[in-house]
Order: sequence, then structure tokens, then C-alpha cells
Amino acid sequence: QSALTQPASVSGSPGQSITISCTGTSSDVGGYNYVSWYQQHPGKAPKLLIYGVSDRPSGVSNRFSGSKSGNTASLTISGLQAEDEADYYCSSYTSSGTLYVFGTGTKVTVL
Amino acid sequence: EVQLLESGGGLVQPGGSLRLSCAASGFNFNNYAMSWVRQAPGKGLEWVSTISGSDNKTYHADSVKGRFTISRDKSKNTLYLEVNSLRAEDAAVYYCAKKVGGVYAFDIWGQGTMVTVSS
Repeated sequence: QSALTQPASVSGSPGQSITISCTGTSSDVGGYNYVSWYQQHPGKAPKLLIYGVSDRPSGVSNRFSGSKSGNTASLTISGLQAEDEADYYCSSYTSSGTLYVFGTGTKVTVL
Repeated sequence: EVQLLESGGGLVQPGGSLRLSCAASGFNFNNYAMSWVRQAPGKGLEWVSTISGSDNKTYHADSVKGRFTISRDKSKNTLYLEVNSLRAEDAAVYYCAKKVGGVYAFDIWGQGTMVTVSS
């Protein structure tokens, strides 16, 4: 099972919107509405931002939103803030036998 | 407060073994599937193992199948990962994580425990 493909880095200025893509296959991202997104600051545990493609857990800012089209899921961060600078990972259920697959990770830089 | 606290990591020689533990509190541990996810230094997240909440069915990544075993003690609210035949590429921070009810995602993560494999 190969990792889901994410861009290595994305950057934006404060207040801007950025989008991170996450490309898989019909066995994972495209086949199920079980895409989730995580934010990880250096030295910290990951934090759930989005589950079920577009649902936000209680307490997560509505500046974070998720969507999916075909085999590609996306995370959009609107009104970019300095504290959004972190690594972001997507994940999906997979029917390939390994249950879960993570993305390669994207480093977000706030200019 | 919902919390996961890992322990048991350390320095081990190639071929060696460890038992990682994850103590859960603040939620009904018996009702949820639990997982281990690891992260090698400077690398991304990698799913390792999952155990279901209902029937204790287990799942392992191909990279650890036959060497790692996930288990849980519901009387102690504790998750375990037995790691055997360790290789250099198993060196990582190991996180335990709670599955969101009804959805394939992890909503609660521990702080992680580091496993170093070196002679």
C-alpha cells in the first residue's frame, strides 16, 4: 500500500487561503468517505482537523474545511494565521488490506 | 479529561523486543477501536496496528506483520504493542490513538514514546 500523495510544501501570506491536495486511488480516497486531516506542530502529537471528508470535530476552527473529488481530497485553510504553520497529513481508510493509509505530508509556511 | 499516555519506549539492539503500553482515561475504553501510529525521525506518519473495540479483531501493516502484536486489557484500560525482531527502520516515535466512533479517523492521540534501535 503506497502512501497518499501530497505536495511537499505550500505557502501563503497571512489572511490568504491555501489548499492542500491528497491523491489516492479508488481503493482508498476515491472509494470511501473516510478521509481525515491532521495538523502536527514540531515535537507535538498530531491533531484531528477533519474527518469523514468534511466534518470538523468540536473546537476546530471553521477556517479549516475539507472536500473530495474523485480520487483527490483537499484541505483548505482560509484566513491563514501564523499558528497554522505546521505539517499537515491526510489519511484514508483503504480496502487494500492494511486498513489505513496516510499521506506523505505537507509543510505549510506562513510568509 | 480524555487522555492517552504511552510508555515503554527505549533503546534496544537490532533483533530485540519491547512492550509499549498506552494507558487510557476519560472515556469508555472498551467501546472504541484503538491504534498505533509511528513516525520515524524527520518522516511522515505510518499506521502500524489497530484492534477493534467489540471483538478484539486485530490488523497490522505489512511492514510489521508477524513481528508486532497489538492487544488490549479492558480491565486496566490499557493498550499494548509487543514489538519483536526490531530493525533499524522500526526506530520511531510510537503514538497510540483512539478511533472516532463510526468513522475511520483518530480523534485522541497520546504524546508518543520513542523507540531507538541501535547496537
